[in-house]
Amino acid sequence: DGGITQSPKYLFRKEGQNVTLSCEQNLNHDAMYWYRQDPGQGLRLIYYSQIVNDFQKGDIAEGYSVSREKKESFPLTVTSAQKNPTAFYLCASSTPSLAGVSTEQFFGPGTRLTVL
Amino acid sequence: QQPVQSPQAVILREGEDAVINCSSSKALYSVHWYRQKHGEAPVFLMILLKGGEQKGHDKISASFNEKKQQSSLYLTASQLSYSGTYFCGTAGAGSYQLTFGKGTKLSVIP
Repeated sequence: DGGITQSPKYLFRKEGQNVTLSCEQNLNHDAMYWYRQDPGQGLRLIYYSQIVNDFQKGDIAEGYSVSREKKESFPLTVTSAQKNPTAFYLCASSTPSLAGVSTEQFFGPGTRLTVL
Repeated sequence: QQPVQSPQAVILREGEDAVINCSSSKALYSVHWYRQKHGEAPVFLMILLKGGEQKGHDKISASFNEKKQQSSLYLTASQLSYSGTYFCGTAGAGSYQLTFGKGTKLSVIP
């Protein structure tokens, strides 16, 4: 079955440690996204990538880094520079339309990160 | 800028109708609607494009008012399964980047 997988579902880390969240998709989508969700705040875009080896900062990129070496994979690293990393992280993918219009985004199940 | 959703929360009895609004101060080209159940991933409902096209499937439909830069989601004859938080995501022309509102929590009770 096609879809997006994120692992792990729950992640605990000590303050000051970097942590990498995994996101893999087998939908053959070109575009991938990382969102952060906090209670009452909706989804906020961290980074997005429209093509392999290229990515752009979203609204809240500070303290995060990404890579896009393969079409299927878009890992997110939460660095120690991120002041308040405890949140629910969602990865999504989409296939860009030829008209340059945003298309349906498919979301993974999310990773809940807790920094102790 | 984040689009503004209203109301923030609504409680319905089964069979009642609801309207959720999404307003933006920026020129919009597309509006997405998603529903998220607690602890789960958001699920796509529909996309509306500039032009005021109304869309719908089953008893959920939406409209896009280009002049007002506003979209409305209509849920008719609500069912228990409609419960969840509804998010609108907006994008300008030529942009793949969505900006989401804070969400509207809908609770349907028997």
